[in-house]
Amino acid sequence: RKEVEQDPGPFNVPEGATVAFNCTYSNSASQSFFWYRQDCRKEPKLLMSVYSSGNEDGRFTAQLNRASQYISLLIRDSKLSDSATYLCVVSTGRRALTFGSGTRLQVQP
Amino acid sequence: GAGVSQSPSNKVTEKGKDVELRCDPISGHTALYWYRQRLGQGLEFLIYFQGNSAPDKSGLPSDRFSAERTGESVSTLTIQRTQQEDSAVYLCASSPGPWEWAGELFFGEGSRLTVL
Repeated sequence: RKEVEQDPGPFNVPEGATVAFNCTYSNSASQSFFWYRQDCRKEPKLLMSVYSSGNEDGRFTAQLNRASQYISLLIRDSKLSDSATYLCVVSTGRRALTFGSGTRLQVQP
Repeated sequence: GAGVSQSPSNKVTEKGKDVELRCDPISGHTALYWYRQRLGQGLEFLIYFQGNSAPDKSGLPSDRFSAERTGESVSTLTIQRTQQEDSAVYLCASSPGPWEWAGELFFGEGSRLTVL
């Protein structure tokens, strides 16, 4: 089983839609959680950290469920510029951050 | 520049040749990471340097891969006797503190390696 698993998608949604991605992790000792965004043929960039109580940044909401070992990302009012691959990232405390394979989002006009 | 700089941006080589990839981290960042990303896949951890501590080499896929870092500056990833499965984008990242700091990783644009 992979340490971090994501649905690869693609998720094709119209502008203005709400879309949610889930990510599961296997190590219950995982300590820190993040969502990164990667545009096509570009380097990953931090989108937001994920806190235990859940957190929001504009149209983006991240949640953590430690009991079920998953994190989620909700994007409201999708924009064309949100089209990208969203990487779930977990720190297990054992080594450098572990990246999921990513979920591809395509927002259509 | 202020960001992580990698060179070369593109490298095409023949199977069996050695290649060197270079990474200049952000000044003052003590941690440096190398990841590999094959086409359409996620990031695969290779190696992690933190200050003067022994590097975490646990992600290196074979003894053909090695990396060095000079103090808290430049790092070089070397791949000996390249194979076609080594074709990938090699991404370098740095951060101001160690992984326990759990902060943001700043990535370079990557070195795209193609082994013919």
